[in-house]
Amino acid sequence: DGGITQSPKYLFRKEGQNVTLSCEQNLNHDAMYWYRQDPGQGLRLIYYSQIVNDFQKGDIAEGYSVSREKKESFPLTVTSAQKNPTAFYLCASSMSQDSTDTQYFGPGTRLTVL
Amino acid sequence: GESVGLHLPTLSVQEGDNSIINCAYSNSASDYFIWYKQESGKGPQFIIDIRSNMDKRQGQRVTVLLNKTVKHLSLQIAATQPGDSAVYFCAVKADSGGYQKVTFGTGTKLQVIP
Repeated sequence: DGGITQSPKYLFRKEGQNVTLSCEQNLNHDAMYWYRQDPGQGLRLIYYSQIVNDFQKGDIAEGYSVSREKKESFPLTVTSAQKNPTAFYLCASSMSQDSTDTQYFGPGTRLTVL
Repeated sequence: GESVGLHLPTLSVQEGDNSIINCAYSNSASDYFIWYKQESGKGPQFIIDIRSNMDKRQGQRVTVLLNKTVKHLSLQIAATQPGDSAVYFCAVKADSGGYQKVTFGTGTKLQVIP
């Protein structure tokens, strides 16, 4: 069963804590992405990675960190420096970064700060 | 930068009627366009895509029309069914300094009336 998995589905965090969201894909895709989705707004890019051991900041990287040690995995850490972390987080992957490569999304993680 | 907007935040249609969801974009260099469907609490699902060298593409019950002159994209769903109820948003890809940047619209919520 191929696809993108994200865990956990729901995550609760206390203020001041770091949390890590998991994203795994078995599609053999080179490129992976993290987005944040807030009500009434389009998806906003946090970080992306075009290849293993390489990643770049997106439009709203402040307060987040990522790693790409394996092709299949692209975990996102939401740090205590992120002032408004409550949101729906979506991971995506694509075959490459070519113009016509479609991004496919995981099921998402809903993060709530208590 | 690119801006992508949808014309209606909500669209209500009778079951069996055709639905048309619209999207406008600003960057004339945009070269790849995708429609996604997102059900509540889930990740976006790819529906259909179209390249800038085409003006129409058809899938199963869906058609995407691209008008590059007025920078307008539409998704037509034939014989709308209750299972089509979801948020639909377009994504527009364009080269941004060597990176294929994707800009997402905010979404139109399609409500199907039985």
